[in-house]
Amino acid sequence: DGGITQSPKYLFRKEGQNVTLSCEQNLNHDAMYWYRQDPGQGLRLIYYSQIVNDFQKGDIAEGYSVSREKKESFPLTVTSAQKNPTAFYLCASSEGTEKLFFGSGTQLSVL
Amino acid sequence: AQTVTQSQPEMSVQEAETVTLSCTYDTSENNYYLFWYKQPPSRQMILVIRQEAYKQQNATENRFSVNFQKAAKSFSLKISDSQLGDTAMYFCAFMSYRGTGNQFYFGTGTSLTVIP
Repeated sequence: DGGITQSPKYLFRKEGQNVTLSCEQNLNHDAMYWYRQDPGQGLRLIYYSQIVNDFQKGDIAEGYSVSREKKESFPLTVTSAQKNPTAFYLCASSEGTEKLFFGSGTQLSVL
Repeated sequence: AQTVTQSQPEMSVQEAETVTLSCTYDTSENNYYLFWYKQPPSRQMILVIRQEAYKQQNATENRFSVNFQKAAKSFSLKISDSQLGDTAMYFCAFMSYRGTGNQFYFGTGTSLTVIP
């Protein structure tokens, strides 16, 4: 079945550490997105990519980095510069005017 | 930038009753799409309904329907015959379609509880 796979489901970060969240899709979608979800704040866009080797900053890109070397993969790195990384992270993809397809999310917490 | 506003942080409804969730948005664009997503306790985002702005007819999906008022920039979701499984966070979303790429904007959500 086609879909989006995020891993790991839970992730813990130590002070000063960079961590990478994985996102893989087999839907053959060009566009991929990363959202951060905090309680009471809805979904906020971190980065998005419309095509391989190209990506754009969203509303809250500071402290995050991404790459898009393959169409099916869009990993997100939470760097040590992100001082409040505890949140639920959602990866999504879309094609044309269709809906966003979401992964099952990664909960990141700070040790 | 587009903004999406959900003014009801929490709502509750008795099982089998009808409830309406509100959503307003702000945009200067004419070509866009609107969505309602459901996020149950599993936190998996599930599409409930999709509306194309150029269509005057309100979208319906079984027990779910929308009241789309383009001039008022309003997009409310009506859930009929509420079921326990409808308990979830509901997010309203706006998408502006551009050839160079789409952007999705989300409201802050409404937490709906269906009471047995």
